[in-house]
Amino acid sequence: DIVMTQSPDSLAVSLGERATFNCKSSQSVLYDSNNKNYLAWYQQKPRQPPRLLIYWASTRESGVPDRFSGSGSGTDFTLTISSLQPEDVAVYYCQQYYTTPWTFGQGTRVEIK
Amino acid sequence: QVRLQESGPGLVKPSDTLSLTCTVSGGSINSYYWSWIRQPPGKGLEWIGYIYYSGSTDYNPSLKSRVTMSVDKSKNQFSLKLNSATAADTAVYYCARYPPLGSRFDFWGQGIQVTVSA
Repeated sequence: DIVMTQSPDSLAVSLGERATFNCKSSQSVLYDSNNKNYLAWYQQKPRQPPRLLIYWASTRESGVPDRFSGSGSGTDFTLTISSLQPEDVAVYYCQQYYTTPWTFGQGTRVEIK
Repeated sequence: QVRLQESGPGLVKPSDTLSLTCTVSGGSINSYYWSWIRQPPGKGLEWIGYIYYSGSTDYNPSLKSRVTMSVDKSKNQFSLKLNSATAADTAVYYCARYPPLGSRFDFWGQGIQVTVSA
């Protein structure tokens, strides 16, 4: 199985400031034939299902605010919230879909400082 | 807009079979992969497996011996059966859609809490 490891486990950021957190896969999720990274990011608020934010490591889902951006390739990925808003308080998960079993990171909890 | 809705018993006795159904509305079940994902209390997400609309399946090896998924295209539904349930299977169970060319779980159900307890 590909193990996804997120860091940090939690972080507190002031409103309007940048929040950056990471995801590392135990093996590359870059598919050479199409040069795509099989990596997605989800946001989960309490008592809600996860919401897709980013796929192909950097493609923003329709309707997702442009303050959310994804980057990285191979085994190391980053999700950035450029200016933290109150509604961004949540747990964020990365997920690889390079190979089954599809696996998720343990999550990063984002709070307001 | 595609909507997914999980249904089934919220309480299952140990050693019984956990059975859930996901009903898809606002779109066809055809041409997509349909997954079950679970989240134990206070923990992260675990992919259980998927079923393609044609009926082919892929299960997480950690659960493969106990999982069966099926699809009913006439009802736009797919189902999960997890036998020999234990307390460790207590979780919120989500169904989700996965497009055929890959890339992400783009639509999720609201989730259903299932507790395994006598």
